[in-house]
Amino acid sequence: ETGVTQSPTHLIKTRGQQVTLRCSSQSGHNTVSWYQQALGQGPQFIFQYYREEENGRGNFPPRFSGLQFPNYSSELNVNALELDDSALYLCASISGANVLTFGAGSRLTVL
Amino acid sequence: GENVEQHPSTLSVQEGDSAVIKCTYSDSASNYFPWYKQELGKRPQLIIDIRSNVGEKKDQRIAVTLNKTAKHFSLHITETQPEDSAVYFCAASKHNQGGKLIFGQGTELSVKP
Repeated sequence: ETGVTQSPTHLIKTRGQQVTLRCSSQSGHNTVSWYQQALGQGPQFIFQYYREEENGRGNFPPRFSGLQFPNYSSELNVNALELDDSALYLCASISGANVLTFGAGSRLTVL
Repeated sequence: GENVEQHPSTLSVQEGDSAVIKCTYSDSASNYFPWYKQELGKRPQLIIDIRSNVGEKKDQRIAVTLNKTAKHFSLHITETQPEDSAVYFCAASKHNQGGKLIFGQGTELSVKP
């Protein structure tokens, strides 16, 4: 186990709904990044949180938002779900040497 | 914007042969280049990485080379085994954006026994 845990592992939503995905990062790692991995594609950077503040964002609309808590756990929220949001959502914990360790992901299906 | 191109998209080799996967990056400020292995339904796992201050790094059967001038880096797997079959992703990031990896499109490696 990498120490990065994500929940839920799988979920199904319908268009227009909202979803919250959760991540517990590796002990001592105060930086977390979120990625979207569509089927057959490489992961795409959504955003990064450092000490509870967003400090980097990829090319994703504002309906993708996040939070980081004092214990460095994190949430990814997606509002107004669209069919194209169906993907594996990966959380990564970042070491001081900028090495990313990924969680097992949350697989979201939007119907 | 920043871009990482990866080739080939699929690669099939016989057990015991070598496999080479190549990536090019667009942003000359990139200085960290990890390689991830992702088995079906699993998380990406870091297998090797290289930083821009070195040209080559080796770990048992796996090696990575970096050519900063040409902005490309390659993964070399020797003496391939069936358990090496997976999708491999290269990635790049900059010093002040460590959590923001730009990934290549992936290479599906199949090692036939």
